[in-house]
Amino acid sequence: GAGVSQSPSNKVTEKGKDVELRCDPISGHTALYWYRQRLGQGLEFLIYFQGNSAPDKSGLPSDRFSAERTGESVSTLTIQRTQQEDSAVYLCASSLVWSGRDVESFGQGTRLTVV
Amino acid sequence: AQSVTQLDSQVPVFEEAPVELRCNYSSSVSVYLFWYVQYPNQGLQLLLKYLSGSTLVKGINGFEAEFNKSQTSFHLRKPSVHISDTAEYFCAVRAQGGSEKLVFGKGTKLTVNP
Repeated sequence: GAGVSQSPSNKVTEKGKDVELRCDPISGHTALYWYRQRLGQGLEFLIYFQGNSAPDKSGLPSDRFSAERTGESVSTLTIQRTQQEDSAVYLCASSLVWSGRDVESFGQGTRLTVV
Repeated sequence: AQSVTQLDSQVPVFEEAPVELRCNYSSSVSVYLFWYVQYPNQGLQLLLKYLSGSTLVKGINGFEAEFNKSQTSFHLRKPSVHISDTAEYFCAVRAQGGSEKLVFGKGTKLTVNP
C-alpha cells in the first residue's frame, strides 16, 4: 500500500518568505509527527498529532513554525519569514495508534533550502 | 527528558567484516529503544526495537542489538557487512508512558568498502 507521502520533495526559498510543507499519512493512521533533520544532526521532534487531542507542540522552535492537521488526514507545516537556519530536511511520520509500542512509518522528507 | 549519544559519527569498514555501532542513552524513566536506517535519498526505516523481554533483539538485514540497562547502552551489531549496508544509522528512544516523541541520536554514517 501507499506509504507516507510528502510534498514537495525539494523546496528552495528566499529568506523572509513563507513556506508550506505537506504530509499525507498512511490511511487510517491516527498519529502524525513532524521532525526536522539539520545537516550533521539527528532528528529533532517538532510536533505530534493524535486523533482529536490537542497537539503536542513542545518541539516547535519558534512562533514562526506552525502546523495543522485536518481530522486524521493531511497535515501542513508552515514556516513564516524563513531564515537560513531553517534549512533542513523536514520529515513526517505516521502510526496507527500510539502506545509507545507502535512504530512510525516515515516519509522521504522535504529538503528545504533557504537562500 | 531523554538524550541519546552515538559516539561515532562515521564508521568505515571492509566488506564481510563485523561492525558495532554504539549508542548510549540517558533517561530518568524507562524507555523503549529503536534503531533506524536511512539509505541515501530514502526515508527512515526501522531496523529493530526493544520494548521488553529478551535484551538481545534481532532485526532486519542480519542486524541485532543488545540492551544493557546498567550501562544504558543499545549497541547495534552485524557479524558480516555488505556494501549495501552503507547508510546512516540512528539510535532513538521513547519514554515509556510519557511523551510520545522519539529522541534521536545524531547518527552514524556506516561506509562499507570493497
